[in-house]
This record gives sequence, structure tokens and C-alpha cells, in this order.
Amino acid sequence: QKEVEQNSGPLSVPEGAIASLNCTYSDRGSQSFFWYRQYSGKSPELIMFIYSNGDKEDGRFTAQLNKASQYVSLLIRDSQPSDSATYLCAVNEERTGGFKTIFGAGTRLFVKA
Amino acid sequence: DAGVIQSPRHEVTEMGQEVTLRCKPISGHNSLFWYRQTMMRGLELLIYFNNNVPIDDSGMPEDRFSAKMPNASFSTLKIQPSEPRDSAVYFCASSLRGPSTDTQYFGPGTRLTVL
Repeated sequence: QKEVEQNSGPLSVPEGAIASLNCTYSDRGSQSFFWYRQYSGKSPELIMFIYSNGDKEDGRFTAQLNKASQYVSLLIRDSQPSDSATYLCAVNEERTGGFKTIFGAGTRLFVKA
Repeated sequence: DAGVIQSPRHEVTEMGQEVTLRCKPISGHNSLFWYRQTMMRGLELLIYFNNNVPIDDSGMPEDRFSAKMPNASFSTLKIQPSEPRDSAVYFCASSLRGPSTDTQYFGPGTRLTVL
């Protein structure tokens, strides 16, 4: 089992719809969770981070965390063609002496105009 | 702020040659990370430094890879000798305090092709 799993997609949604991206992780001790967006040929950039169970909203983006189910998701409301990218889920796992960031393989999102 | 700076942006070399990738983190950031991204394996953490000290190098694939951070503003990732399977995009990232809670800011990457 991979440490951080995402559906590779592609996920295709029409413009204006809600896009739902999901991620599961294996390390129950993980404390911090991140969503990065990566456009083709570019570097990843942070969209949101979440540490506590529940929802965290930032503009059109909502991150949801359920530690009991080891599940984190990202909702994008009013999806725009400019949201078309690969979305990477990242989890910080505790290691001796520090933390290690584990990235999922990413979900490709296409927003159709 | 210039962001994380990486050089070169593209590198094409022949198998067996030495390759050195360079990174300048954001000024004031205490942690630096080296990642490798391929279609097959995704984004993999190779090594990270905190206050110039290597903390976790468990992701370094083999002895052909080495990384140094001689000071707070410069790091190198060296591959010697290089092999075709090392072809990938190599990202450097930095964060203010470390990976536990902090956002990592990625550089533009170095696209390495080993023929």
C-alpha cells in the first residue's frame, strides 16, 4: 500500500461545477496535510494546508480532514478552466529526528469551458 | 523576493558524466529540500537539510547521489556517474522552519536528460 494515495484521474468537470479531489494516507501519526497545484511544466505551489479535523475554507477552495478515516480532500467550487492542473496531496510523516513529506502521485483535473 | 533559484534549468549529459545541480533557497529560510519528479514515480523527497545539516537522506537512491549545503544560501545535488534512469526533473524547495508545519516553496526545477 502506498503511503499517500490519490486517484490519478483525469477528473473532468464542467466550468462552474464543484471539483472534488480525494487523498488517503497510511500513517496514523501524520499531523499536517497539504494540497499543492502543479501546472504542466511548472513547479508545485501550495494551495492549502490543514492540521485539524474538519473543514478549512479559503476562497473557492475547501480542505477537509478526517484523521479517523485517514482521509483528506479538496473541494474547488465554481471551477474555472484555469484550475486545470495536477493536484498533489502531501502528508508530513513523523520520523526519528524530524518529519518527512510524502507526496501522492497527483490527480489531473480538467475543467471544460 | 526572487524565490528559490535553481541552475541550470536544463541539463543534457551523457551516461557516466558527473552532473551538479545548484539551488539558492529563499533568504531567511532554514530548511531546504531536494525532490525528484518522474512520470513513473511522481514527486520523491531525496534529502532535506535543516540549518544546513542533513536531517533525512533516506530518499537518496544510491551512492551515486550526494548533496551538500555549505552555507544557508547554497546547496548542490551531485550525481556521479550519471545514468539514463536518472533522467527526471529535480526540484529544490525551501521553508521557513521545517516540513512539520511550514509551506515549502519550490524552485522552477532542473530538467535532467542523461543519454
